[in-house]
Amino acid sequence: EVQLVESGGGLVKPGGSLRLSCAASAFTLSNVWMNWVRQAPGKGLEWVGRIRSKTDGGATDYAASLKGRFTISRVDSENTLYLHMNSLTTEDTGVYSCMRGGGQRPFDIWGRGTMVTVSS
Amino acid sequence: QTVVTQEPSLTVSPGGTVTLTCASSTGAVTSAYYPNWFQQKPGQAPKTLIYSSNNKHSWTPARFSGSLLGGKAALTLSGVQPEDEAEYYCLLYYGGVWVFGGGTKLTVL
Repeated sequence: EVQLVESGGGLVKPGGSLRLSCAASAFTLSNVWMNWVRQAPGKGLEWVGRIRSKTDGGATDYAASLKGRFTISRVDSENTLYLHMNSLTTEDTGVYSCMRGGGQRPFDIWGRGTMVTVSS
Repeated sequence: QTVVTQEPSLTVSPGGTVTLTCASSTGAVTSAYYPNWFQQKPGQAPKTLIYSSNNKHSWTPARFSGSLLGGKAALTLSGVQPEDEAEYYCLLYYGGVWVFGGGTKLTVL
C-alpha cells in the first residue's frame, strides 16, 4: 500500500531543534517531489517547503515566513524524507505532515502527521 | 506577503449546490497558479480533490468540480451530501512556492 508515515514529533523548548521523518512505503521517494505542510492547532494549512526529485536535481524551496530555519532533506537508502527545524518558537507548534506531489505529478497522498509542541 | 483568500464559512442544504472561491492578493488567478483543492474532516489528514484547476483524482466524487471563475479559482459541489461537511483549502503556486488559502468551513444543514 502506498503510504507516508511521519514521526519524530514531541515537546521541545523555545530555541530548540527537532528533526521530523517521513517514511514512504510502496514507492521510491527519490523519484518524486515531496512537500512538508503544517497546521497549528485550530488553524489552517501552511505549506512549509518541498524537495524536488533526484532526476530534477533535488533542490529545495521554502515558505518565506520560515526565514531559513527549516531544511528539507532525503536519505534515499532509507526511503525517508526529513524536516530539520531550528530556532523553534511557540508559533511552530502544530501537526507536520508530508505530502507527495509537485513537478509533473499532482499532489496526491498525505501522511497523518506528527505533532510538534514548542513550549517551556 | 502573498495572501490567498477563501470564504471563512458557507452553509448549503443537502442536495444543493455551492461554490467556494479562492482569490490571490496578486491579482486574477489563472491556470498558471495550478489551483489545487483539498478537503479536511476533523481529526483526519487532508485529502486532495482537484489539481491544476479542474482535474480530479480517481477518488474524487463526480459532484466536485474545479474551475476558474471571475478571476478566482472555484470549487463547486453539486448535489451536496451530508458527508461533504468539512474544511476546504485551496493551494496556489507562486513560482517556486505554494500558498494555502485560509480555508472554508462548509456546513451542510
